[in-house]
Amino acid sequence: SQELEQSPQSLIVQEGKNLTINCTSSKTLYGLYWYKQKYGEGLIFLMMLQKGGEEKSHEKITAKLDEKKQQSSLHITASQPSHAGIYLCGADRGTDKLIFGTGTRLQVFP
Amino acid sequence: SQTIHQWPATLVQPVGSPLSLECTVEGTSNPNLYWYRQAAGRGLQLLFYSVGIGQISSEVPQNLSASRPQDRQFILSSKKLLLSDSGFYLCAWSVRWARSSTDTQYFGPGTRLTVL
Repeated sequence: SQELEQSPQSLIVQEGKNLTINCTSSKTLYGLYWYKQKYGEGLIFLMMLQKGGEEKSHEKITAKLDEKKQQSSLHITASQPSHAGIYLCGADRGTDKLIFGTGTRLQVFP
Repeated sequence: SQTIHQWPATLVQPVGSPLSLECTVEGTSNPNLYWYRQAAGRGLQLLFYSVGIGQISSEVPQNLSASRPQDRQFILSSKKLLLSDSGFYLCAWSVRWARSSTDTQYFGPGTRLTVL
């Protein structure tokens, strides 16, 4: 099984709807990174969470890291077609490396 | 500001042919550098990472190799490509700190490799 599980694997929502993507780790996280990827392109860094209970927002995207530092959620409010893409979480294990989840593919239709 | 470049953007190669993908970073010094592969339907798989010139760590056994001939240059190579080497290859960099935990990784635009 994956060290880092993302759910759902794919999501299709109507424009204007809210949605949540989850990222669950089997181990304690030193840090949790969220990235967005458009098909065929590189990853765009969204935000990073380090402290248990931490919450960060950027425009209409909010990410939280739970107190036990083993789960993170990414919430998009009033989704737009520009939010479409693949969302990936990456876990810092306290080394120089990140472990990535398998991604959540988001489609937003008008 | 820092930028990261990868080329080529796309590549179609026959099985058994050699491979060389290049990644360069501008605007920073002594970065950590990473090569990832993203196969269809899978997440990102870390292939190699480097904390300095000539220092390469391999994450998975395979027919690929990496080299870092200069501080801001990272090369992914193969002597003989396999069908399973097809995928989207991403290079990334991060600031190198004294502490062991990683910092934010910034990704290049990627190279799509198709092996026929």
